[in-house]
Amino acid sequence: AQSVTQPDIHITVSEGASLELRCNYSYGATPYLFWYVQSPGQGLQLLLKYFSGDTLVQGIKGFEAEFKRSQSSFNLRKPSVHWSDAAEYFCAVGARNTGGFKTIFGAGTRLFVKA
Amino acid sequence: SAVISQKPSRDICQRGTSLTIQCQVDSQVTMMFWYRQQPGQSLTLIATANQGSEATYESGFVIDKFPISRPNLTFSTLTVSNMSPEDSSIYLCSAKGGTGDTEAFFGQGTRLTVV
Repeated sequence: AQSVTQPDIHITVSEGASLELRCNYSYGATPYLFWYVQSPGQGLQLLLKYFSGDTLVQGIKGFEAEFKRSQSSFNLRKPSVHWSDAAEYFCAVGARNTGGFKTIFGAGTRLFVKA
Repeated sequence: SAVISQKPSRDICQRGTSLTIQCQVDSQVTMMFWYRQQPGQSLTLIATANQGSEATYESGFVIDKFPISRPNLTFSTLTVSNMSPEDSSIYLCSAKGGTGDTEAFFGQGTRLTVV
């Protein structure tokens, strides 16, 4: 069965510093991979997605993620964090099965940004 | 991308009562989903709302507790029945657009508190 692991419950970085959020997945075939962001009191916004092609994916708000099949990872990165990036980040895997297409979410990583 | 509106955005309900949450999408979508996000937790898929047929429920969720309707390609409802304080959560509607689309879009969520 497909699953997603985000090892870090929360991370604190200084404004202007670089960021990397970790994500590992388990899936038998080539997965659809996503990163979503959830600001307090808001729904989820898609940052970026990967299915095939270039393993380095560019997203919105200056985020990027790299798919590494050998490590079953899809880590999210940003070179310089802004205070407005403080939010909850969810990695997700999409999979097709007999029930249709489902999106399975990791536990999330809460990002704190300090001045 | 699809724009998803949920109503109500929040509610406080008495235990033993039921609440119906509405989800409206601004375009026809192939698939609609309902998720639960308990305080400080990730998203758990409740069910896939099927147009014109019974919803497909995930393990641990049953129709008697969470009846779902989907009368057309743009609208769905989720009812939380016979509520208890343990049902206090954010309930999120999600939709996937065309057949080839892989990412899911989300509404703002309904924050439910049961007292």
